[in-house]
Amino acid sequence: NAGVTQTPKFRILKIGQSMTLQCTQDMNHNYMYWYRQDPGMGLKLIYYSVGAGITDKGEVPNGYNVSRSTTEDFPLRLELAAPSQTSVYFCASSQTGFNGYTFGSGTRLTVV
Amino acid sequence: QQQVKQSPQSLIVQKGGISIINCAYENTAFDYFPWYQQFPGKGPALLIAIRPDVSEKKEGRFTISFNKSAKQFSLHIMDSQPGDSATYFCAASPAGNQFYFGTGTSLTVIP
Repeated sequence: NAGVTQTPKFRILKIGQSMTLQCTQDMNHNYMYWYRQDPGMGLKLIYYSVGAGITDKGEVPNGYNVSRSTTEDFPLRLELAAPSQTSVYFCASSQTGFNGYTFGSGTRLTVV
Repeated sequence: QQQVKQSPQSLIVQKGGISIINCAYENTAFDYFPWYQQFPGKGPALLIAIRPDVSEKKEGRFTISFNKSAKQFSLHIMDSQPGDSATYFCAASPAGNQFYFGTGTSLTVIP
């Protein structure tokens, strides 16, 4: 049982480049989330989804886009990368929201 | 603004001692309060959680104390061990759709 799988684990982007962070879960969870973690700031919610075809903004959505075409996948798209997007990105999923999250192992992104 | 305020930022405890981490919130719509444990290079993992209809929940050496009137909750780690050294995050959620995390506490347990 893989749980939540994130790829890549590390990435360096140049300013203005674009990329997609991949997230897949094999637990048939309805809810999926993207967080970013910055030192001393905790985790901030970027986007979330309560099911296939449904997405909504979190606290810090600017500069990001998501889609949820299947229950399993929830990719995060960065367009025109900026240094402020240097962070560790975590994808998470949960069945109902009240069961707590299962997190992936994270993607460390550096924008230079 | 920070929806959930967590303190202290860092904590050093002797092996066998009690570690206490505190969190406070303002939004009375929050009704689920989990704690997460994160080791370096890993994603956070759910440790223990509480709903506001109880004042305390215990799982092994980990206890959540919840004070609804004060809008505060805390994590107590009894008999702290070096293996408990990690970063701990409190969180809160209204209806389970979104979680707001505290800024984290780095715990070091000295042998």
